[in-house]
Amino acid sequence: KAGVTQTPRYLIKTRGQQVTLSCSPISGHRSVSWYQQTPGQGLQFLFEYFSETQRNKGNFPGRFSGRQFSNSRSEMNVSTLELGDSALYLCASRRAEATNEKLFFGSGTQLSVL
Amino acid sequence: GDSVTQMEGPVTLSEEAFLTINCTYTATGYPSLFWYVQYPGEGLQLLLKATKADDKGSNKGFEATYRKETTSFHLEKGSVQVSDSAVYFCALSGGQNFVFGPGTRLSVLP
Repeated sequence: KAGVTQTPRYLIKTRGQQVTLSCSPISGHRSVSWYQQTPGQGLQFLFEYFSETQRNKGNFPGRFSGRQFSNSRSEMNVSTLELGDSALYLCASRRAEATNEKLFFGSGTQLSVL
Repeated sequence: GDSVTQMEGPVTLSEEAFLTINCTYTATGYPSLFWYVQYPGEGLQLLLKATKADDKGSNKGFEATYRKETTSFHLEKGSVQVSDSAVYFCALSGGQNFVFGPGTRLSVLP
């Protein structure tokens, strides 16, 4: 079974641009979550989608948005990029919203904003 | 809300030393508890989990026991290897939410 796939693996953008990151979950998984990881702030939750609906949202500005398609693939968009948006963006999927369901992570997209 | 606290490190050990990484949590209800590991340049991988009180999760020589009375889930390994060098995250799931601790960086020296 293929794992969680994130594309692209690396991205370099300049301030003010926008970026779209993609995540394909494990087949059969209906929940997709996004996290931002930085050396200073650690792992921070962005949002979670379940069956195309945003179920939870972290404390990030409106420049960060996402969506989920009917095939469970998800995209995350960041508009008007700032230097502080440089980070590793991780996507994770799970089958359902149950306490014993584990998260499966992709390898991440490393975004550098210059 | 739910939260996870763990020792932030970094932790530096010699090969074959005993490892303990402390983790405590605050949660309503009965969450499942997890340890994830992140190797350099990679995403997080599940190391072990426990779904109810007194459960012991184990994998690759690592162990952790779900202690409801002390709300803890400490990670232990009897003899660490250089290849165990990574960042370790304690986490809980209450169903809807997955909450991660800040991570503990472990360096094992030969």
